[in-house]
Amino acid sequence: DADVTQTPRNRITKTGKRIMLECSQTKGHDRMYWYRQDPGLGLRLIYYSFDVKDINKGEISDGYSVSRQAQAKFSLSLESAIPNQTALYFCATSDSTGSQFNGYTFGSGTRLTVV
Amino acid sequence: SQQGEEDPQALSIQEGENATMNCSYKTSINNLQWYRQNSGRGLVHLILIRSNEREKHSGRLRVTLDTSKKSSSLLITASRAADTASYFCATDRSGGSNYKLTFGKGTLLTVNP
Repeated sequence: DADVTQTPRNRITKTGKRIMLECSQTKGHDRMYWYRQDPGLGLRLIYYSFDVKDINKGEISDGYSVSRQAQAKFSLSLESAIPNQTALYFCATSDSTGSQFNGYTFGSGTRLTVV
Repeated sequence: SQQGEEDPQALSIQEGENATMNCSYKTSINNLQWYRQNSGRGLVHLILIRSNEREKHSGRLRVTLDTSKKSSSLLITASRAADTASYFCATDRSGGSNYKLTFGKGTLLTVNP
């Protein structure tokens, strides 16, 4: 099993629908992140969480919400999907051990299309 | 806004050649990392270099960091077709232990057999 699992892998939804993307991890990491990737724009941070009770907005949080249900689970919701939210979404995790920090672990991504 | 900018945007080489990608950034950092992404897949962490380091090696990868010029380079030696991917630099510019990364737009490397 993958260390960071995202579901669904692909999703097509209609404008105005609510949709949830889920992420679970077996790394035991405290920190979890949601990014979206658009062609030519790289990855942009949507939300991040440093523990279950700590959730923070990233640079493009408008139109999104998140829930950290447990240390291992971090879900991203689009309350009312719009076409410009069509993108590849990634969940990532990292630990918080100071000098031992060694980068993020990414999930395989969810390709979301809003029609 | 993007913190890191990779250069070139695209690079095409022959198998066995070396590939060099560069990254420039704007503000001071704690560390800089390089990631690889195969088409449509998740990013994979390659190497991390801290702000007090100047060079680091891992297998066929060599990373340099010049904090005075706010730039880094990633060298892949003896490239293989399997190295074909997009490569991203990411900077951690947070103070303390926040470890919130900002990614560049990536360099698409194509290694021709």
